[in-house]
Amino acid sequence: DSGVTQTPKHLITATGQRVTLRCSPRSGDLSVYWYQQSLDQGLQFLIQYYNGEERAKGNILERFSAQQFPDLHSELNLSSLELGDSALYFCASSASRDTQYFGPGTRLTVL
Amino acid sequence: AQSVTQLGSHVSVSEGALVLLRCNYSSSVPPYLFWYVQYPNQGLQLLLKYTTGATLVKGINGFEAEFKKSETSFHLTKPSAHMSDAAEYFCAVNTNAGGTSYGKLTFGQGTILTVHP
Repeated sequence: DSGVTQTPKHLITATGQRVTLRCSPRSGDLSVYWYQQSLDQGLQFLIQYYNGEERAKGNILERFSAQQFPDLHSELNLSSLELGDSALYFCASSASRDTQYFGPGTRLTVL
Repeated sequence: AQSVTQLGSHVSVSEGALVLLRCNYSSSVPPYLFWYVQYPNQGLQLLLKYTTGATLVKGINGFEAEFKKSETSFHLTKPSAHMSDAAEYFCAVNTNAGGTSYGKLTFGQGTILTVHP
């Protein structure tokens, strides 16, 4: 158990809909990362927050947004969903550059 | 920009045989290097990491890796494979220079390890 929790574990929705994925980092970790894992793109970095502020952006679509709240949990919002958004979404947290600890992921299926 | 190449999307070994999973990276700055393992329907678990210092690093479950700067490689090895080692393995690099940004991970495409009895 990495100490990073993600909910929900599975999410099935329809095209055009909006969903919110939630992540709670390890106790004390200020930095939260979101990654997407898909068969065609592999594991790709989406976005990073540090203590409530956005710090880095990767290949994140404009339809996607994220935030980190004062209690350090983070939410990834995905809107106007397309079939191609079906993927496993991971959250990771860290307290340094040394290691990122990953949550179990949320499997999103868009029908 | 950094990149990671894992040679071989599938590797198959017999139980008890040597495991060798290859990883090469490109980076313009000293990298931090990682190997993660992903079991079916699970998240990523850190196997081992290289940050600074000793270039041969040991991780969990008997795995080790050697950072070779001249070859820009960080290959993962295990002397004797177990059935429980069957999983997907990811090599990753973090080239962030420090500060509170900490840097993102850039992953290779992954190598699926199959272990035959």
